[in-house]
Amino acid sequence: SQQGEEDPQALSIQEGENATMNCSYKTSINNLQWYRQNSGRGLVHLILIRSNEREKHSGRLRVTLDTSKKSSSLLITASRAADTASYFCATDGVGSQGNLIFGKGTKLSVKP
Amino acid sequence: EAQVTQNPRYLITVTGKKLTVTCSQNMNHEYMSWYRQDPGLGLRQIYYSMNVEVTDKGDVPEGYKVSRKEKRNFPLILESPSPNQTSLYFCASSQFGNTEAFFGQGTRLTVV
Repeated sequence: SQQGEEDPQALSIQEGENATMNCSYKTSINNLQWYRQNSGRGLVHLILIRSNEREKHSGRLRVTLDTSKKSSSLLITASRAADTASYFCATDGVGSQGNLIFGKGTKLSVKP
Repeated sequence: EAQVTQNPRYLITVTGKKLTVTCSQNMNHEYMSWYRQDPGLGLRQIYYSMNVEVTDKGDVPEGYKVSRKEKRNFPLILESPSPNQTSLYFCASSQFGNTEAFFGQGTRLTVV
């Protein structure tokens, strides 16, 4: 059961530009998380935002959450070639026993 | 160092030959889970465990078994592998199901 859907599926930008990825989900959530995956490697947790929060920052990352629209966005500012990776949102639906459901991801390519 | 360790990293096997992929975590986490990742399908949960001796099916459990005899270990067992189980597998652990998840480096399985 796919809960989150990222958009776009792929994004290509130049170094220094900002990258914005979006995630939409279907049911009420307790929290939403963003993960990063370098090609073929394990996912790495980036940030968690709770359902009662609207915005959260971590370094060059900014995450927003709009529970009325059931959507979230991840903004990476001043992107670097090293940011090239796939980015996934993960949600836990209320009543889901807390299991995380991942979207299909956005593949970000940052060109030097 | 906090980590989730999966073994083996790569495995090629033949149809019907039982195999086990091991997963171990050193963070004393309650929750562990297995995912498979396939192109275009994202991460799909196979099985999860909320504590020792407690396991439950995820979205795609057919053809897989798990056990949780100790808190740190959560092996994935394929009793009779088939080619449609060729995939990239990830083990993950977290304090609870919806908190920050730590992923292993992945096991790339090919069934011929």
